[in-house]
Amino acid sequence: QKEVEQNSGPLSVPEGAIASLNCTYSDRGSQSFFWYRQYSGKSPELIMSIYSNGDKEDGRFTAQLNKASQYVSLLIRDSQPSDSATYLCAVNPNQAGTALIFGKGTTLSVSS
Amino acid sequence: DVKVTQSSRYLVKRTGEKVFLECVQDMDHENMFWYRQDPGLGLRLIYFSYDVKMKEKGDIPEGYSVSREKKERFSLILESASTNQTSMYLCASSPVRQPQHFGDGTRLSIL
Repeated sequence: QKEVEQNSGPLSVPEGAIASLNCTYSDRGSQSFFWYRQYSGKSPELIMSIYSNGDKEDGRFTAQLNKASQYVSLLIRDSQPSDSATYLCAVNPNQAGTALIFGKGTTLSVSS
Repeated sequence: DVKVTQSSRYLVKRTGEKVFLECVQDMDHENMFWYRQDPGLGLRLIYFSYDVKMKEKGDIPEGYSVSREKKERFSLILESASTNQTSMYLCASSPVRQPQHFGDGTRLSIL
């Protein structure tokens, strides 16, 4: 059973701090990795994709991938109250005709 | 922008009814998916389809069926609705091996 694990949280950080969200996955052959943000009562929204080892930056967001250790992380710099949401990690198994495997999500709360 | 449209935002049905949830995407994506999301359980895949008339069972297909007669449309059917099928239902689509884009969801209540 391929799995994606996330700490459910809640993760609480003050405004302006760095929020660090982590995710581990079991399928060593996985090739692509994604972070979704989901506000309460809304549907998930894709915010980051990462395909190779290292860091990928997009504005205040940085995704980090370490395939050898099978973990993916998302850093949010200068956290804002509007970043308060549940963040879902998703992994694309290395197998044709399969769906993304989602973690259960980490809830982030940014206090002003 | 990718547009995935679900036919209803809120729906209330009675136990035993046959329920249809419709989803349409406008980006010619090959893959389409149906999930349900419940507190503490995360997203759970019900069915997905990687081509017209093709379907694959997900993690929780029991009590559901799907139909994909046209590439842009993927329907979820609750054959005989039960109260434990009260949930948020999310449709998504994607190109092959690309991330999924979600619709706004349908909050379904079975009374």
